[in-house]
Amino acid sequence: KAGVTQTPRYLIKTRGQQVTLSCSPISGHRSVSWYQQTPGQGLQFLFEYFSETQRNKGNFPGRFSGRQFSNSRSEMNVSTLELGDSALYLCASSASWPGNTIYFGEGSWLTVV
Amino acid sequence: DQQVKQNSPSLSVQEGRISILNCDYTNSMFDYFLWYKKYPAEGPTFLISISSIKDKNEDGRFTVFLNKSAKHLSLHIVPSQPGDSAVYFCAASEAGGGADGLTFGKGTHLIIQP
Repeated sequence: KAGVTQTPRYLIKTRGQQVTLSCSPISGHRSVSWYQQTPGQGLQFLFEYFSETQRNKGNFPGRFSGRQFSNSRSEMNVSTLELGDSALYLCASSASWPGNTIYFGEGSWLTVV
Repeated sequence: DQQVKQNSPSLSVQEGRISILNCDYTNSMFDYFLWYKKYPAEGPTFLISISSIKDKNEDGRFTVFLNKSAKHLSLHIVPSQPGDSAVYFCAASEAGGGADGLTFGKGTHLIIQP
């Protein structure tokens, strides 16, 4: 079956702009989580959604937000972009919540200039 | 404070030999551990996991060992193949699942030499 799909794969934004990233989980998976990967900090947890509700949130400022739709698809939004937001944003899905094993998409590469 | 540490940023192993990747953790609430493999420009791929009620889990060429008293786990790859060259991430979660998501180590770059 199809894996986790993320769009767009690559994007360039200017400081101060906002960005929305999209994620379609594996068919039948109802939990979606988001991670940020940077060279210095590694993989860091952003938030997790299940049944359209945010269940957990990592240690990121309020500029980072997300939502989940009734079909389990998810979006994350970053407002007022800063240079330090340049990273690989990874979406992962699991069959249930809490889900021990998560499966990642290929990620969205965001560059802020 | 890093709760999951992979102290070797890189590891070079000859093809056909055993690769051993190590991971240490500090949070005694962690009870589920996973290894992911990542190629450049791709998302991490789930490899193998282990629950704290076990001390070993095997899947083909991959075996994960867990030493709870030492808060240490390791991934053994036997025999190592060129396609195993990638970055390997160790991850952990607390009881009941990812209440705060998975906590990842910073990765070990495994290089398999011909």
